[in-house]
Amino acid sequence: AQTVTQSQPEMSVQDAETVTLSCTYDTSENNYYLFWYKQPPSRQMILVIRQEAYKQQNATENRFSVNFQKAAKSFSLKISDSQLGDTAMYFCAFMKLPNYGGSQGNLIFGKGTKLSVKP
Amino acid sequence: ETGVTQTPRHLVMGMTNKKSLKCEQHLGHNAMYWYKQSAKKPLELMFVYSLEERVENNSVPSRFSPECPNSSHLFLHLHTLQPEDSALYLCASSPSMGRGTEAFFGQGTRLTVV
Repeated sequence: AQTVTQSQPEMSVQDAETVTLSCTYDTSENNYYLFWYKQPPSRQMILVIRQEAYKQQNATENRFSVNFQKAAKSFSLKISDSQLGDTAMYFCAFMKLPNYGGSQGNLIFGKGTKLSVKP
Repeated sequence: ETGVTQTPRHLVMGMTNKKSLKCEQHLGHNAMYWYKQSAKKPLELMFVYSLEERVENNSVPSRFSPECPNSSHLFLHLHTLQPEDSALYLCASSPSMGRGTEAFFGQGTRLTVV
C-alpha cells in the first residue's frame, strides 16, 4: 500500500521569502503521479503542481517548484517570493497509474502542512 | 471556484437523523469521489464513481450510502451516524479516473453529529 508522509505539521515564512515543504512517500510502483494541493481557509482544495514520475525534470509553476528525488521517494515543494495569499494547508498526494485491476485514480494524501505567511 | 459545488456547507444532525449531502459538477467529468477530512488525519477516500458506476468502496460503514444518479450529481446519504463521523466531507471530480488528471474539489460540507 502507498503512504504519503508530511513531517512538518506547521511552518511559517516571512512574505517575499522562500519556504520548502517536505513530502516523502512509499510505493513499490515505478510509474505514478505526485501532486501538491493547497487548501486555503475557505476550504476549497486546488491543485498547485503535478509531477509525472517518469519525467526527470522537476515541475515548475510560476513561484512554485518541486524537487523530485525518485530514488529517495521525496517530493518537496518550494515556494519562492511567498505571498500572504499562500497561507493555507498544503497536501502532498500520490496517484498510481491506471492498470488492469486494482485501485485507479485514487489520490493518497499526506496529513498536510499548515503554512502561515507573515507580513 | 473549481466548478464543483457542495450543499449544504454546514450540517448539524442528531444520531437518529437521516440527511443527505449533495455534490454537483457541470465540468463534463466522468469520475466523482467522496473524501472524509478529519482533524490531524490524512484525507480518506470513501467512494469512487466512474461513469455512474461505483468502482471503489474503502470499507466505509453502511451508515454512509452513496448515490450517483447521473454523471453530474453525487449524493452521500447519512443515517444513524456517530459523533466520530463529524468531519469535513469533500466531493471531487476528474475528467477520468486515474491517468494523472487533476481532481477538482468542492468546498466541502462541515458535518457535526451531536
